[in-house]
Amino acid sequence: KNQVEQSPQSLIILEGKNCTLQCNYTVSPFSNLRWYKQDTGRGPVSLTIMTFSENTKSNGRYTATLDADTKQSSLHITASQLSDSASYICVVSVDSSGTDKLIFGTGTRLQVFP
Amino acid sequence: DGGITQSPKYLFRKEGQNVTLSCEQNLNHDAMYWYRQDPGQGLRLIYYSQIVNDFQKGDIAEGYSVSREKKESFPLTVTSAQKNPTAFYLCASSIIGGRPYEQYFGPGTRLTVT
Repeated sequence: KNQVEQSPQSLIILEGKNCTLQCNYTVSPFSNLRWYKQDTGRGPVSLTIMTFSENTKSNGRYTATLDADTKQSSLHITASQLSDSASYICVVSVDSSGTDKLIFGTGTRLQVFP
Repeated sequence: DGGITQSPKYLFRKEGQNVTLSCEQNLNHDAMYWYRQDPGQGLRLIYYSQIVNDFQKGDIAEGYSVSREKKESFPLTVTSAQKNPTAFYLCASSIIGGRPYEQYFGPGTRLTVT
């Protein structure tokens, strides 16, 4: 069964601190892995997309890593800001008849306090 | 939220009534998708369409219907047959080809059925 699991479920950090969110997946055949940021009551916004051959990708203060051998990914947030408070969703794409079918994790809810 | 609009943002209906959620995009994307988001669960695919006048069922299509009469529009009808319609509904769109291709999400419609 294709699954994406994220940890922790929720996280509280102080402004300016770093944090790392984890994603483990059991998906086959793997196509690519994405991280989305979702503010409360809004649609998800893409942060990164990584294919099988990429093991790290950055988008400003966000850095995603991918270990395709262990089927793990992480999202590292540097120097957190209050605006980073959101849910972060790991999404793995399955190659389905030539198109991408997305398998969504349940997300990590991050709260950044001053 | 890109060039995807969903309306209304909040929708309230009585049990037994059908309701239609609007989704419009001006990104010239061929593919459009409907997802449902429930607390503590990952997004689940309801329907998707890759071309006008054609659409496919996703993982949880029962109790829903869609149409794709124009490239820009992909309305979702939640019928009275849907047992648990209260949820946050998200529309997305993407190009087709040149994988991986980004899915852009709209701002969502929160439907409450009582």
